[in-house]
Amino acid sequence: SAVISQKPSRDICQRGTSLTIQCQVDSQVTMMFWYRQQPGQSLTLIATANQGSEATYESGFVIDKFPISRPNLTFSTLTVSNMSPEDSSIYLCSVVVTGSITGELFFGEGSRLTVL
Amino acid sequence: AQSVTQPDIHITVSEGASLELRCNYSYGATPYLFWYVQSPGQGLQLLLKYFSGDTLVQGIKGFEAEFKRSQSSFNLRKPSVHWSDAAEYFCAVGGAYDYKLSFGAGTTVTVRA
Repeated sequence: SAVISQKPSRDICQRGTSLTIQCQVDSQVTMMFWYRQQPGQSLTLIATANQGSEATYESGFVIDKFPISRPNLTFSTLTVSNMSPEDSSIYLCSVVVTGSITGELFFGEGSRLTVL
Repeated sequence: AQSVTQPDIHITVSEGASLELRCNYSYGATPYLFWYVQSPGQGLQLLLKYFSGDTLVQGIKGFEAEFKRSQSSFNLRKPSVHWSDAAEYFCAVGGAYDYKLSFGAGTTVTVRA
């Protein structure tokens, strides 16, 4: 298993600003992902955070809007840029623990963003 | 393409009664199936998973799920619900070395006294 810490846990932001969310894991992980959960919705994968290289984005998500960094195996950041009220969501970091051969994901507690 | 359908958006159950949450999946190969629970204000916690072998799998908190390939289903059950089981439940599907899970829309469970 893994303990995943996300910061901030919640924030209220103004339209047009940007916010960076941090994800720190307490153990070695092979894969890190960022998901979005809009109000009352399920989880949608934003991107795979790749160590030392550009993230791999899913359809509908672009780097300019959601820049992601992963400087090492246990840390990643997601920035939500030029926010609008439609970006109000919970953003979740998830990981696959090193040595796992299955698709089991562990999740952080999420960062709840409200954009006014 | 892979997908998950959870037909029930909201279920209300009395404390002590049994609970069953439905999940149907679509996946082109052998699926890996998961149930996660999300309590209010919390992240997702893995309840149980199915990869292969016995089609009835046991999880944490007294939950179990049964994989039925012929019906493309992976329904979650609990014999006796506790008030603390009130939460949102997500079914997810992926594959071997395919870490990109597809999640269902979720089922919200309300437990009444």
